[in-house]
Amino acid sequence: AQKVTQAQTEISVVEKEDVTLDCVYETRDTTYYLFWYKQPPSGELVFLIRRNSFDEQNEISGRYSWNFQKSTSSFNFTITASQVVDSAVYFCALTPRGSSNTGKLIFGQGTTLQVKP
Amino acid sequence: DTGVSQDPRHKITKRGQNVTFRCDPISEHNRLYWYRQTLGQGPEFLTYFQNEAQLEKSRLLSDRFSAERPKGSFSTLEIQRTEQGDSAMYLCASEGVGMYFGPGTRLTVT
Repeated sequence: AQKVTQAQTEISVVEKEDVTLDCVYETRDTTYYLFWYKQPPSGELVFLIRRNSFDEQNEISGRYSWNFQKSTSSFNFTITASQVVDSAVYFCALTPRGSSNTGKLIFGQGTTLQVKP
Repeated sequence: DTGVSQDPRHKITKRGQNVTFRCDPISEHNRLYWYRQTLGQGPEFLTYFQNEAQLEKSRLLSDRFSAERPKGSFSTLEIQRTEQGDSAMYLCASEGVGMYFGPGTRLTVT
């Protein structure tokens, strides 16, 4: 069975603090994609990153960075120097790669991040 | 490329009524997906289309739900005889390098 677990339901930080959102996944597939999405209060899911299971290199995009570790089945997301605009619900998701249905995402329950000024 | 659009953004209906939602995907994307998101949960897959063909349906999609994608462009999702349990955000997405979601249609069944 495939499953994504985001154990942190809510996180509250003060602006400029660094924050890491945890994501642990379960899958029997040898190839798969992992995703992170942001859902601000407006409700629209914003695509942040897609990572395939062959690529374990960490990725950095501005204040965002992602740490993918296959050995621990984790794909954690760090925001450096958080800002109030980062306040949102963040979802981690998984889908098997190489299938005919790579858009059938399995989402975690989400982590609500509140960044206080 | 104006992104995925959905209409309406909000719908309030009485139990037992039928409702229909529309999704316009990103024009060059062949695959279109419908998801449902209830409060405090992540989105759950409902169904998807490759062009005009509906290739998979989740068990969440009861007989009261039907989706179409005529001509492989926009898609509609209809719910017949709505129930209070159908209240949720209905999300449409189209697939390119990533999955691009629309703003959703929030359905409230009273």
